[in-house]
Amino acid sequence: GDSVTQMEGPVTLSEEAFLTINCTYTATGYPSLFWYVQYPGEGLQLLLKATKADDKGSNKGFEATYRKETTSFHLEKGSVQVSDSAVYFCALNDIPTFGRGTSLIVHP
Amino acid sequence: DAGVIQSPRHEVTEMGQEVTLRCKPISGHNSLFWYRQTMMRGLELLIYFNNNVPIDDSGMPEDRFSAKMPNASFSTLKIQPSEPRDSAVYFCASSFQGRSGNTIYFGEGSWLTVV
Repeated sequence: GDSVTQMEGPVTLSEEAFLTINCTYTATGYPSLFWYVQYPGEGLQLLLKATKADDKGSNKGFEATYRKETTSFHLEKGSVQVSDSAVYFCALNDIPTFGRGTSLIVHP
Repeated sequence: DAGVIQSPRHEVTEMGQEVTLRCKPISGHNSLFWYRQTMMRGLELLIYFNNNVPIDDSGMPEDRFSAKMPNASFSTLKIQPSEPRDSAVYFCASSFQGRSGNTIYFGEGSWLTVV
């Protein structure tokens, strides 16, 4: 069945550092890919998405490119802020299958 | 616009008691999802409805769990009898399923503790 694998966290960075969170997937066909973010005590909210190969999703300085050849959708941000501290989930399909989540901690 | 509304936000109950979680999806959405989040298992899809009809309930852990959607604006997830291993955060989410790349919107969750 379809599945998503994310790098395990926590990822701990200093403010203004570069962020990469890896995500790879296994799926039949051409799934849509998503990154969701969960802030403490809240539900998940969509961060960005891509619906076909080579699409780049972007939002709030975060980016991810749909790479069909490597079945990946890695999340990147050039300069993280303390306010980015949260749990990030990679997901595929419109009935989402979620990865386990990667906790990001950003220190001042 | 109001988002997905869940109640209660927090519930502590004793083992063996019935628990009912409630959800009001976003108006106009035709799909509703119930997820469970735990440290051990992450986010698990329990069941989802399309146009008020249950489409896939394969994620419902056992017969103690049941879900209903009597109309487009309301759904319940019931656990009877509850057990300590049911302690988790239960999320309801909704979306409009009509084309690829649909966003689903989550409620803030119902934090359940069974003692």
